[in-house]
Amino acid sequence: EVQLVESGGGFIQSGGSLRLSCAASGFSVSTNFMSWVRQAPGKGLEWVSVIYSGGSTYYADSVKGRFTISRDNSKNTLYLQMNSLRVEDTAVYYCVGASSSSWFLRWGQGALVTVSS
Amino acid sequence: SMLTQPHSVSESPGKTVTISCARSSGSFASNYVQWHQQRPGSPPTTVMYENHRRPSGVPDRFSGSIDSSSNSASLTISGLKTEDEADYYCQSYDSSNWVFGGGTKLTVL
Repeated sequence: EVQLVESGGGFIQSGGSLRLSCAASGFSVSTNFMSWVRQAPGKGLEWVSVIYSGGSTYYADSVKGRFTISRDNSKNTLYLQMNSLRVEDTAVYYCVGASSSSWFLRWGQGALVTVSS
Repeated sequence: SMLTQPHSVSESPGKTVTISCARSSGSFASNYVQWHQQRPGSPPTTVMYENHRRPSGVPDRFSGSIDSSSNSASLTISGLKTEDEADYYCQSYDSSNWVFGGGTKLTVL
């Protein structure tokens, strides 16, 4: 069974930094592609970043230059380093995985990040 | 590329509803569409992928299609049940970036 478990969310002041982790089981973060998707309170889903199996990374314009996606293949864990946080980054952050040969997405339970002014 | 969905749809139990997703540029023939269901208080789950493929466990009341002439995709749910009441999001990709539609709230009343 595939499980994606996020951790590292919390309450942070504007301008601060936070790192989210996503521990995967039954699913390889290195041979598949992994993404972060967020959802602000009462709003829709917003794509944040993706890392493909070859290591290429891409970001939404709203986070480019502030967020960094990475993975640790030995720990089978995905990360999102978030710097220079803004109030508008407040959201539930979902870890999402997909096989390199299929667009069937697997979702984690989400981690809440609250940025205060 | 942008994906545009109706804000809300409603229908009665047992009926059929179709949720649309219009693409501003690019095509679903080249860049698949996925559909994700989100019930209140829960994370999303994928109910359709690669335009028309249904994950195991998703009832065959759910079906997906694309229309190249209008550059749009549709998720159709037949034999509506109250448990289908949820937000539905279409999602695709554009070169290396992903994009989500704004979501459609389905009310089954």
